[in-house]
Amino acid sequence: EAQVTQNPRYLITVTGKKLTVTCSQNMNHEYMSWYRQDPGLGLRQIYYSMNVEVTDKGDVPEGYKVSRKEKRNFPLILESPSPNQTSLYFCASSLQPVNEQFFGPGTRLTVL
Amino acid sequence: AQSVTQLGSHVSVSEGALVLLRCNYSSSVPPYLFWYVQYPNQGLQLLLKYTTGATLVKGINGFEAEFKKSETSFHLTKPSAHMSDAAEYFCAVSDYSGGYQKVTFGTGTKLQVIP
Repeated sequence: EAQVTQNPRYLITVTGKKLTVTCSQNMNHEYMSWYRQDPGLGLRQIYYSMNVEVTDKGDVPEGYKVSRKEKRNFPLILESPSPNQTSLYFCASSLQPVNEQFFGPGTRLTVL
Repeated sequence: AQSVTQLGSHVSVSEGALVLLRCNYSSSVPPYLFWYVQYPNQGLQLLLKYTTGATLVKGINGFEAEFKKSETSFHLTKPSAHMSDAAEYFCAVSDYSGGYQKVTFGTGTKLQVIP
């Protein structure tokens, strides 16, 4: 089944404790992206990747890192999480940005 | 820089009534336009998209949208609302930004369907 998977689905952590949210797709897509969703603000792009080893900042990249060492995986790293990073995070992939994006189920992160 | 404006963060309609969700965009080049739907506690899924060609685009679940270049709009409509249409709807635009093709989402419209 074609899908985007994210882990964990739910995470509660404390300020400053490094964490990684994994994202994997099995559709051989080149384009992958991370978004955060906050009430009233919609989806805001954090980082995106056009292909392996090609990543760029989105609209809200501060406090986040990404890497794209393999085509299927695009982890999101929070080196020192802060409470303002409490949010719902989505990973998405598509053949190209102009194509339909396939979204993961989301990761709800709470930083205390 | 591209942007998307969705008018009305909440829209309520009666079951069987017309659904109209508004989306206006700005883009320096001909854009690609999308509508996505998000059901509670789920990720987003594509409703429909406009790339080139016919300006009236039909999607899943009876939804359609019309690309109007002169009005820079891509409003989503459905003739008759069902209870199952209650969800949040996002308009998105994709065009080139700084040499890369980038996608920008609107802030979303929550649709409530009243029995």
